[in-house]
Amino acid sequence: SSELTQDPAVSVALGQTVRITCQGASLRSYYPGWYQQKPGQAPVLVIFGQSHRPSGIPDRFSGSTSGSTAFLTITGAQAEDEADYYCSSRDSSGNPLRVFGGGTKVTVL
Amino acid sequence: EVQLVQSGGGLVQPGGSLRLSCAASGFTVSTNYMTWVRQAPGKGLDWVSVIYGGGTTYYADSVKGRFTISRDDSKNTLFLQMDSLRAEDTAVYYCARDREGYISGWPTYYFDSWGQGALVTVSS
Repeated sequence: SSELTQDPAVSVALGQTVRITCQGASLRSYYPGWYQQKPGQAPVLVIFGQSHRPSGIPDRFSGSTSGSTAFLTITGAQAEDEADYYCSSRDSSGNPLRVFGGGTKVTVL
Repeated sequence: EVQLVQSGGGLVQPGGSLRLSCAASGFTVSTNYMTWVRQAPGKGLDWVSVIYGGGTTYYADSVKGRFTISRDDSKNTLFLQMDSLRAEDTAVYYCARDREGYISGWPTYYFDSWGQGALVTVSS
C-alpha cells in the first residue's frame, strides 16, 4: 500500500479550477514532486518543492502544502490537462526510499 | 538537453532474467542520483530502486534480493539487472534522474527527467 494517498478521480469543467490532494506523513518533512502522465507516455514533472515549475510547464499549475497534505492546483483547466497526476516524496520512516501516491485521474468536461 | 534513452525490455519466462539499460546525455550519471520506477498495466507508479552518486543503492522490498541497480560511468549508462522474475514484475519500467535538494530550507525529492519506458512481460 502507498504511504501517500490521493483521490482516485476528479473532474473539472473547462476553464475552471481543480485541486488535487496528496496526503502522507512524509509531507510534514519533505516537499513533494508532482507528475502528469498521459496515456502511453512517460510521466512529466510539473511541480517540485512547494510550487516550483520546471521550464515549459504553464503557470496555471501551482502547488502548496499544509501539514501532511500537499495540493496541486490547475487554475483554468484546459482540455490538454486531462491526465493522471501523481505525487511523490521520500519514505516517512527515515529510510532513503521513495514513494508515490496512487494517482488521480483528472477529467476535463 | 537532458535525455534518457532506454533499451532492453521484452518477454521473459518466470524465473528468468533481463537487463534494462538507460543511456543518459546532457548530464553525468555518476554525479547524480538515478532511479528506476515501474508501472504495471493499468496501475500507478511504483518506485523500484535508487543509486546514489557515491554508489550506494536502495531497493523496494518487493524487489530486494532479486534486482540490482548499477551504472557504467564510462558509458554514462544506468542498468537494472532483474533476476528471478515473477509475473507480478510485468510492467513498463522507467529510469529517471532523482533530485534531492533544499528549497526555502526544506528538503525536497523529485524526478525531473524520465526515459521513454521499456515493457517487461513475465509470462510462460
